[in-house]
Amino acid sequence: GAGVSQSPSNKVTEKGKDVELRCDPISGHTALYWYRQSLGQGLEFLIYFQGNSAPDKSGLPSDRFSAERTGGSVSTLTIQRTQQEDSAVYLCASSFSLAGDTQYFGPGTRLTVL
Amino acid sequence: AQTVTQSQPEMSVQEAETVTLSCTYDTSESDYYLFWYKQPPSRQMILVIRQEAYKQQNATENRFSVNFQKAAKSFSLKISDSQLGDAAMYFCAYRSAAYSGAGSYQLTFGKGTKLSVIP
Repeated sequence: GAGVSQSPSNKVTEKGKDVELRCDPISGHTALYWYRQSLGQGLEFLIYFQGNSAPDKSGLPSDRFSAERTGGSVSTLTIQRTQQEDSAVYLCASSFSLAGDTQYFGPGTRLTVL
Repeated sequence: AQTVTQSQPEMSVQEAETVTLSCTYDTSESDYYLFWYKQPPSRQMILVIRQEAYKQQNATENRFSVNFQKAAKSFSLKISDSQLGDAAMYFCAYRSAAYSGAGSYQLTFGKGTKLSVIP
C-alpha cells in the first residue's frame, strides 16, 4: 500500500475485555513500531520489530500488553483485560530498516475503555 | 535516557508570516537524528523535516527549515509564509543512531506545540 494502515480507526470496549489492534506497514519496510499517545503521558514507545529478530518489548507498560508480527509484515497489538487507563490513541509506524531510517506513521486507532 | 523539551505549548501566527518553534534535548550521545513531525486533527503523524547530527548544514524542506545548534542541544523549526494548512500539533523527536541497549531505536518525543494560523 501507499502508507501505513491501521484498523480499526476507533474502538470502544468495556473494562476487562480484550482488544486487538492491527497495523499493516508500508510494503518493503522491515521495521515496525508501536507507540501510545495519551493526554497525560504524551507519546510513548511500546515495542518494535525488525525483520525476524526478537522484538524490543522494553516499552510495554504491563504484561497485559503483547504484540506479534506475522510473516514480517502485519502486526497485531493485543491488550488483555483492558483498563480505563489504557484509553489512548495507538500509533503504528514503519521504516525501511532500523538503522537511521525515518519512521512513517499510520492514522492510529483511538481506543476508549468504558 | 534522552529527553526532549518543547517549551511552547501553544503558538499562533498570522497567515503569510514566519514562526519559530523551539525544541531542546538532552543526550550524551554524539550521533543521532532529530525530527519534526506534524499532527493535524486527523491524527496522522506527518514527517516535516529530519536532521542528522553529524551534518553541520541545517535541513530545509520548502517553507520549513531548522536551526540545529549541536553544542547547545537546540533544534528549532522555522515555518515561513505560514498557511492555514500548517495549523497542527508539532512534535520534536530524537532517535539514537547506534544501538546502546533496549529501546535504542525508538523515537523520543517532546510534549508538542499547538500551532494556530490566523487568517
